[in-house]
Amino acid sequence: QKEVEQDPGPLSVPEGAIVSLNCTYSNSAFQYFMWYRQYSRKGPELLMYTYSSGNKEDGRFTAQVDKSSKYISLFIRDSQPSDSATYLCAPAGDSSYKLIFGSGTRLLVRP
Amino acid sequence: KAGVTQTPRYLIKTRGQQVTLSCSPISGHRSVSWYQQTPGQGLQFLFEYFSETQRNKGNFPGRFSGRQFSNSRSEMNVSTLELGDSALYLCASSLAPHGDMNTEAFFGQGTRLTVV
Repeated sequence: QKEVEQDPGPLSVPEGAIVSLNCTYSNSAFQYFMWYRQYSRKGPELLMYTYSSGNKEDGRFTAQVDKSSKYISLFIRDSQPSDSATYLCAPAGDSSYKLIFGSGTRLLVRP
Repeated sequence: KAGVTQTPRYLIKTRGQQVTLSCSPISGHRSVSWYQQTPGQGLQFLFEYFSETQRNKGNFPGRFSGRQFSNSRSEMNVSTLELGDSALYLCASSLAPHGDMNTEAFFGQGTRLTVV
């Protein structure tokens, strides 16, 4: 079993849709959780950083963590074509001094 | 505030050669980690340095090595290049090691290495 599982997509949605991106992880020692957005041929850009269970909102983006089920989500409201990118989840904080990434979900928002 | 700077952006090398990639972290950040990204394997952890000490190393052969200088700048070296080393190499910097709090990691744009 991979440490972090993420549906690779692609996920295609119309502009304005609500998007739900999800990851599951196996290591219960993970304490904080990051979401990155990566455009083609660019480095990943940190979108959200959350600690422990609960929700965190930043503009159109909401990150949700459920540590009991080892499930993390990123919601995008009113999706825009500029949101078309690959989204990577990265749980961390297990004292391994490394980040483990999901394989990334490719999102396409159609105008 | 300047971001993470990686040089060079693009590199073409032939098999058997060696290559050195450079990463300048965000000012004040003492942790630098390196990742290899390929279409088939995704983002794979190479190693992390904090205060010039390697804290962890990923599952890569010994041909891959790195170091960190006193100013937190880091270099990674790949010797005896193979075709399979063609990838985007990404560097990330953070205030503290990834096992600690406040360790949002910020990535550079990467160095795209092509081995022919």
